[in-house]
Amino acid sequence: GAGVSQSPSNKVTEKGKDVELRCDPISGHTALYWYRQRLGQGLEFLIYFQGNSAPDKSGLPSDRFSAERTGESVSTLTIQRTQQEDSAVYLCASRETGFTGELFFGEGSRLTVL
Amino acid sequence: ELKVEQNPLFLSMQEGKNYTIYCNYSTTSDRLYWYRQDPGKSLESLFVLLSNGAVKQEGRLMASLDTKARLSTLHITAAVHDLSATYFCAVDKPGTASKLTFGTGTRLQVTL
Repeated sequence: GAGVSQSPSNKVTEKGKDVELRCDPISGHTALYWYRQRLGQGLEFLIYFQGNSAPDKSGLPSDRFSAERTGESVSTLTIQRTQQEDSAVYLCASRETGFTGELFFGEGSRLTVL
Repeated sequence: ELKVEQNPLFLSMQEGKNYTIYCNYSTTSDRLYWYRQDPGKSLESLFVLLSNGAVKQEGRLMASLDTKARLSTLHITAAVHDLSATYFCAVDKPGTASKLTFGTGTRLQVTL
């Protein structure tokens, strides 16, 4: 597709359940990012993938959060044993090689944990 | 740790007025980005500033970068209601291909 695609767009889950969020970056973009945005707040970095290099996981808030990316394609963000404080919009972004260009964001996955 | 601060956090202005949003950051960097976010929507790229003294303009918005002062400004000229949104600046960690650190955002409300 032409842009960054995320799914699901909305997810409501019960506390304690696991959720998986998916991001399909722009074709050819080697860098992929996950950010979290709580209601009315700014963007909180979670994790960054660059090609086949080891990902930068420094923003993951706990070991309940994990993410994978195969090559330069789709990424999945998994949250295990969800808590109410995990409720947020999870934004994925990708960037082309060269690292000076802007990030292109998807529409986000809105997660609500009841 | 790179810190990015914006001010003001909230700005209410009348149509036709001018105003400036400020973005300060704590570590030397020559890559700064401005984004716009409408309520319930994702982020849209506005400007990419890649060198000291860079200035870019699009419509009623103009962004500039002073790397020595670690400051970027987003100037709004003759505001119109359609500019109502939240504006974020973001800074790249220098010397690495790494994450963008975002500012806290400035919520702009343009009133008639």
